[in-house]
Amino acid sequence: DTGVTQSPTHLIKTRGQQVTLRCSPISGHKSVSWYQQVLGQGPQFIFQYYEKEERGRGNFPDRFSARQFPNYSSELNVNALLLGDSALYLCASGGAPTDTQYFGPGTRLTVL
Amino acid sequence: LAKTTQPISMDSYEGQEVNITCSHNNIATNDYITWYQQFPSQGPRFIIQGYKTKVTNEVASLFIPADRKSSTLSLPRVSLSDTAVYYCLVGGGRETGGGNKLTFGTGTQLKVEL
Repeated sequence: DTGVTQSPTHLIKTRGQQVTLRCSPISGHKSVSWYQQVLGQGPQFIFQYYEKEERGRGNFPDRFSARQFPNYSSELNVNALLLGDSALYLCASGGAPTDTQYFGPGTRLTVL
Repeated sequence: LAKTTQPISMDSYEGQEVNITCSHNNIATNDYITWYQQFPSQGPRFIIQGYKTKVTNEVASLFIPADRKSSTLSLPRVSLSDTAVYYCLVGGGRETGGGNKLTFGTGTQLKVEL
């Protein structure tokens, strides 16, 4: 059984650039959520998508956007990167929005 | 969403049983209680989930009293590899009809020593 996969594993960008992170959910899962985890803190909810529709949004600026594709994979886009966007970005999938969520290994984003 | 309170850190020794208690006084009727384990620079790993009384799986037990205002994660015979941060979350009620925004606190840093 393949778990949640994320790419890339690591990423280094400079301020002002744009970044796209990718996530593939567990086979059969239709819900994907994105979280940001800054060093020393718990993950913070960014978005949840289910059946290609946004089902929830956290307290993040409009620079953050996401989408879900027909195969239920998802992309998280962050524009105009700031130093404070440096974090571990986590993707979680579930069968339905309120089902148990299973996390991927994360993408480590460093903004210089 | 219900707020959770758990100890910032705990220390234990290999072979001991560890109990981590989480308070969630404002838990809603539809809320489930879920525990995750996280190692540095990795995604949280699902440990166990319950609604009431006791739930047991191959790695842990979850005890929930009748009032559901707290819960206790029990890890039997811990080893060095159990050193990690443990998060208690409430939410995800299946009747809400909405999404499941998991709200993580700062978690409990468990350190297991020889």
